[in-house]
Amino acid sequence: DAEITQSPRHKITETGRQVTLACHQTWNHNNMFWYRQDLGHGLRLIHYSYGVQDTNKGEVSDGYSVSRSNTEDLPLTLESAASSQTSVYFCASSESALTSGSLADTQYFGPGTRLTVL
Amino acid sequence: GNSVTQMEGPVTLSEEAFLTINCTYTATGYPSLFWYVQYPGEGLQLLLKATKADDKGSNKGFEATYRKETTSFHLEKGSVQVSDSAVYFCALSDRDSARQLTFGSGTQLTVLP
Repeated sequence: DAEITQSPRHKITETGRQVTLACHQTWNHNNMFWYRQDLGHGLRLIHYSYGVQDTNKGEVSDGYSVSRSNTEDLPLTLESAASSQTSVYFCASSESALTSGSLADTQYFGPGTRLTVL
Repeated sequence: GNSVTQMEGPVTLSEEAFLTINCTYTATGYPSLFWYVQYPGEGLQLLLKATKADDKGSNKGFEATYRKETTSFHLEKGSVQVSDSAVYFCALSDRDSARQLTFGSGTQLTVLP
């Protein structure tokens, strides 16, 4: 079965270190997204990609970067981790409604990565 | 810009009680509306969706009707179970904003036996 996986599931790091969170999907979806989830804020969009070599900034992109070298993967990098980046991170993917014929893109979420920055 | 406002939680109900979680939205275009559910320790799963005014989405006994006149998409279930305990998120996708989802802040539901 197709799926979307994230690794690691839990990570503890120190302020100033570079951290990369992995996201891998086997849906063959063009669209991929990274969100962070914080109490009282719901999910906020960090970065997104609509295809290979395409990346875009979301609502809370400062301090984060992504790259898309293939369809399956969208790694999220924290260039210099800060305590404010302690959060739960979710990756998601979707097939474009233009391709699927649906009127709405349904996003499929990974299980999340809990990141703690000390 | 787009925004979603959800009923403040947490919500605690007894098993077999009626559930309503309110959701209202602001959008510049013609959005599609979603309810996602997050069970403890898991990612979000699509619960139901509606793509145009007056559509009713339904799944697992949950229902929500897209009300354009009141810009609302309230989630309802006639008889909740302990297994429905989770966090529920209302969201919208506006094709003018290129397929992105805007989420509400989430409502924690606890159902007691």
